[in-house]
Amino acid sequence: NAGVTQTPKFRILKIGQSMTLQCTQDMNHNYMYWYRQDPGMGLKLIYYSVGAGITDKGEVPNGYNVSRSTTEDFPLRLELAAPSQTSVYFCASSQPGGGYTFGSGTRLTVV
Amino acid sequence: SQELEQSPQSLIVQEGKNLTINCTSSKTLYGLYWYKQKYGEGLIFLMMLQKGGEEKSHEKITAKLDEKKQQSSLHITASQPSHAGIYLCGAARNAGGTSYGKLTFGQGTILTVHP
Repeated sequence: NAGVTQTPKFRILKIGQSMTLQCTQDMNHNYMYWYRQDPGMGLKLIYYSVGAGITDKGEVPNGYNVSRSTTEDFPLRLELAAPSQTSVYFCASSQPGGGYTFGSGTRLTVV
Repeated sequence: SQELEQSPQSLIVQEGKNLTINCTSSKTLYGLYWYKQKYGEGLIFLMMLQKGGEEKSHEKITAKLDEKKQQSSLHITASQPSHAGIYLCGAARNAGGTSYGKLTFGQGTILTVHP
């Protein structure tokens, strides 16, 4: 069982560069989420999706974009990387009323 | 201040000791989730509590929900080094389908268990 797969695991970006964090789930979950985790701050919701073609902003969406063209994939795009986006990013999926299944995370450093 | 406050922020115990982690919400709870995270890994779902007074156990971990106090506790009995990690609570902010599964998380409690 693959569950939720995130790539890459680590990445260093220069200020102003762009990148896409990939997230794929094979559990046919309707709901998918992107969170960022900063030390001592818990997880903050960036974007979420309730199904293919439907996305919405979370608490901290500025500087990010998402798309959901299929049930399985939910990529997160950073257009102009800034040092404030240095964080650990987690993708998760769930079904209504169920707990999350998390990916193993992407550790991003912007220098 | 955080919507979900966890206490303590960190905890160091000797193997075999019992311990409790608390999660207090400043808003109404519509479901409370507990997760465990090991360094460099994702979060593992532990338990979900939905009703006031509800209590669930898995192996040596017990979680309770006090809806009136808007608080949940996670209790570990006879702790082991394998229990070490970061424990996070997550809360649903709306009832049922209107929340779309979105959770607000506490800041986490770092647990160290010395053999």
